[in-house]
Amino acid sequence: DAKTTQPNSLESNEEEPVHLPCNHSTISGTDYIHWYRQLPSQGPEYVIHGLTSNVNNRMASLAIAEDRKSSTLILHRATLRDAAVYYCILSTGTASKLTFGTGTRLQVTL
Amino acid sequence: GAGVSQSPSNKVTEKGKDVELRCDPISGHTALYWYRQRLGQGLEFLIYFQGNSAPDKSGLPSDRFSAERTGESVSTLTIQRTQQEDSAVYLCASGESGTGTYEQYFGPGTRLTVT
Repeated sequence: DAKTTQPNSLESNEEEPVHLPCNHSTISGTDYIHWYRQLPSQGPEYVIHGLTSNVNNRMASLAIAEDRKSSTLILHRATLRDAAVYYCILSTGTASKLTFGTGTRLQVTL
Repeated sequence: GAGVSQSPSNKVTEKGKDVELRCDPISGHTALYWYRQRLGQGLEFLIYFQGNSAPDKSGLPSDRFSAERTGESVSTLTIQRTQQEDSAVYLCASGESGTGTYEQYFGPGTRLTVT
């Protein structure tokens, strides 16, 4: 699976938007971009995924660069409950086996 | 509805003993995965079951690790002759099959401590 690169940590103020970047310069044409997050002492939780077009759901938005070599997860209004480790993962469609890196630890402060 | 459940939530065992970890996936999910997460690290893929197909065992770290799944329901991960480096949180996930990609639903994990 192609690798992803994320910053180790980010800080945000509550109720402000947060942009979590991910670089995946070796992405292949069949790789989907997945985002999961892991709250403290819990299993990972699906956030969003996309292939080429930007995606929106109730949790977040995913902005994918035109060349697909990078993407950004956007939390529109961060809350304290959004403090977690966010993982950007590439996977082909069929087995969807996920290879997790170390992710970005998001801290949200008042 | 009910999510993925795992048992036990915590397991402490002595080095050299065998352990069994259980996963109950979401009903109707044909795909089931096991992952391992060492302290402060990301998840490592261990094994993947999809319906009646042969499992993908490519992530199992050694022959001390094995897993079974009964049909499209319960799965058991067995670690024989446990070692201290096996200490980790073992996570199970399930998902619906089909074309394209799909989200995985994770259980709370089993924290294994080998003393």
